Parts: sequence; C-alpha cells; structure tokens
Amino acid sequence: SQQGEEDPQALSIQEGENATMNCSYKTSINNLQWYRQNSGRGLVHLILIRSNEREKHSGRLRVTLDTSKKSSSLLITASRAADTASYFCATDNYGQNFVFGPGTRLSVLP
Amino acid sequence: EAGVAQSPRYKIIEKRQSVAFWCNPISGHATLYWYQQILGQGPKLLIQFQNNGVVDDSQLPKDRFSAERLKGVDSTLKIQPAKLEDSAVYLCASSLLAGGEEQFFGPGTRLTVL
Repeated sequence: SQQGEEDPQALSIQEGENATMNCSYKTSINNLQWYRQNSGRGLVHLILIRSNEREKHSGRLRVTLDTSKKSSSLLITASRAADTASYFCATDNYGQNFVFGPGTRLSVLP
Repeated sequence: EAGVAQSPRYKIIEKRQSVAFWCNPISGHATLYWYQQILGQGPKLLIQFQNNGVVDDSQLPKDRFSAERLKGVDSTLKIQPAKLEDSAVYLCASSLLAGGEEQFFGPGTRLTVL
C-alpha cells in the first residue's frame, strides 16, 4: 500500500513561476525525502527532512513538514525548463519500510 | 566518485524465462536497495540489505524473486520464472550508512517480458 501520496498528479507552469507539490502519508515516520526523476539523470535525491524539523531549504527548493497533519510540501521557486520531471516523496520508519509515493509530473513551459 | 552501476541496461525475455540483474553500489555504502518501478508509478521497494543481511523483504514476491548480496558489496536480483506483469524498470540504490538516509540510484534495468 502507498504510504506517501503526492498531489497534484500533474502540474504545468510557465518558466519563472513557482511550483508547489504536496505529499501526505499515513503512519509515523523518521524522515521524509523528496526525489526527482527525469529521463536524463534518472532518480536523484533532492532533500531530506527529519521528523523533528519543520522547514528546510536547498537552493530554490523549500520543503515543509507537518507531522500533525502527516503532510509535506515541496516548493520550487523561479522554475526553469530543466525542472521538468517527476517528483516523488518517500518516507521511512527508522531505516525500514521505505515507501515512495506515485509522484507529481511537473512540466515547465518556456 | 563512481556512481551505482547496474547491468544490463535493457533486457527482453519471454514469459516463464529467467533473468538476473546485477548491481554494484557506491564503494563503502553499507545499505543496498532493489526497487521495481512500473511505468507511471513510484518505485516499490523489493528488498533492502544492510551489509550482507536482509533488513526488509516484505514486498519481494519470494515465489519467483530472489536476491543476494554476497560479501556485502555487489548484489544480484533474479526472477524465475518471469511473468508479463514483471515488465518494469528495476532500480538499485545504495546509501552510506543505515537505511533512511539519502539514496543514490543507478540507471536501472528496463525489463520487458513478452
């Protein structure tokens, strides 16, 4: 069964706009990670946020985690065509039960 | 630093045949994962090793899938016999320490079962 569920399933935006993707999960977690997958570079780790953290930044990426709502969001600011990819959240329970969500397909139009 | 290596990159077989995939993780990485990714879905964890011990194989179809990680380094995943629904990309990943940390993925093996 899916632990993480991303929302929306697909998103199209113009270059320069911000993109927000959400992830909901069902059981308690140790940490939550976001990954990007495109045909060119395969599956790549973006950011990890631990259950005791609320917000984390990495370049143009901002991730929030709300453990009370069992949800996380990924914000990509000033999007570029190269950000076109599928984005997955993944959760684990103290190093086990690693589960990826179905992903959000982001298209950034020039 | 060399990344995670996988071979072959593509494989086409008939149903009921056998197939094996090989993975060489990043040097020094203790944890190795095998995932199955069906088109349009997220990766599904099949098995997780820490060194040469199995941490999680709850979603591995053990009647047809097997995996081993001899000497805690490279690993093989085997399917015997294959079914049509096994058509997918098989991804190998590794992480430095215990599970739950950043995973580095290989390019995957695309399996087509006819």
